Amino acid sequence: AQSVSQHNHHVILSEAASLELGCNYSYGGTVNLFWYVQYPGQHLQLLLKYFSGDPLVKGIKGFEAEFIKSKFSFNLRKPSVQWSDTAEYFCAVKESGYSTLTFGKGTMLLVSP
Amino acid sequence: DAGVTQSPTHLIKTRGQQVTLRCSPKSGHDTVSWYQQALGQGPQFIFQYYEEEERQRGNFPDRFSGHQFPNYSSELNVNALLLGDSALYLCASSTGRISGANVLTFGAGSRLTVL
Repeated sequence: AQSVSQHNHHVILSEAASLELGCNYSYGGTVNLFWYVQYPGQHLQLLLKYFSGDPLVKGIKGFEAEFIKSKFSFNLRKPSVQWSDTAEYFCAVKESGYSTLTFGKGTMLLVSP
Repeated sequence: DAGVTQSPTHLIKTRGQQVTLRCSPKSGHDTVSWYQQALGQGPQFIFQYYEEEERQRGNFPDRFSGHQFPNYSSELNVNALLLGDSALYLCASSTGRISGANVLTFGAGSRLTVL
């Protein structure tokens, strides 16, 4: 069974700091990769996704992620975080040919103003 | 607006009871997946329904069962509730295509507390 590891459970940053959240997965075949965000009191929302092509994908709200196949990684980045980015971030992987997601445990990001 | 609606939003049960959670998928979606999100954990896949049949199942006991109706809505049933079943239960909908471009849309969840 595949697994997804998110390196940090809690991250605290000041506004304007840069963000990088790590994500590694275990499956060696073709995968589709996702980052979901859950703002306080809200439902899970898709932040960005990678299916194929350019390994650097851009999502909403200035987020981007880079797929590095050799490292089985899909790290999330943002150059300058805002207080409104305070949320829980989940990395998820889907094996090609299946439609179910395997999620990491999530990273809680707190941005102080 | 998520497009996926779940009910109830919160409920409290006692050990041994049974619970039914409901989900209406986003318009245009025909596939429903259920996930369990325990406190401090990521969502875990329970099962998926397509064309009124269970298409895939995760590592959950038979106490967890489901159903999909002709209008694509779905129910999740949990029998003989345990304290460890306390969690947020998420419904996600998608189209039936098993392809890379298939993205799940999640509902807000039903928070179950078992006492």
